[in-house]
Amino acid sequence: ELKVEQNPLFLSMQEGKNYTIYCNYSTTSDRLYWYRQDPGKSLESLFVLLSNGAVKQEGRLMASLDTKARLSTLHITAAVHDLSATYFCAGHNTDKLIFGTGTRLQVFP
Amino acid sequence: EADIYQTPRYLVIGTGKKITLECSQTMGHDKMYWYQQDPGMELHLIHYSYGVNSTEKGDLSSESTVSRIRTEHFPLTLESARPSHTSQYLCASSGGGQQYFGPGTRLTVT
Repeated sequence: ELKVEQNPLFLSMQEGKNYTIYCNYSTTSDRLYWYRQDPGKSLESLFVLLSNGAVKQEGRLMASLDTKARLSTLHITAAVHDLSATYFCAGHNTDKLIFGTGTRLQVFP
Repeated sequence: EADIYQTPRYLVIGTGKKITLECSQTMGHDKMYWYQQDPGMELHLIHYSYGVNSTEKGDLSSESTVSRIRTEHFPLTLESARPSHTSQYLCASSGGGQQYFGPGTRLTVT
């Protein structure tokens, strides 16, 4: 059974700083998703990572996948307030997504 | 951009009422899903469908039921709402390796 764990659960960071969110999964997942959710809103797709060593970047966010370590990371570069949100990773197994607990990110001046 | 719609967006109802949450998508996707999410918490899969006349229960036990009579439509029904059903319900469809989410229905049962 696929299980997905994220850490940290909460992250408070200063504008301009860098940080990484980690996503570990327990068994084989043929792809890894990252989503963003603003308070009271739905999920917005950020990245889909399909293969070992995959790296995708969009603005200040960069996601990577290491299938051997069963680890994905979401790296934030020079954080800005607009990045404040909850970030979810999700593994994929038998046509279903299994979500991590989410990381609530708050960026302050 | 994903074309997946949910109605109503917000609903406040009394205990014991029957309600149906609507979800529709115009992308022709066979796979559709319902998730339940408490504010700021993880998503739990409660129902999914692989196509017309296909419905399966998800990982989280739910007192709701679903139907899939048409590809584009995947409604969720609560026969008798209870305060424990208060939550956000997110519908999603999947195609081309991507899963798209609707805007959600925030349900409050008083």
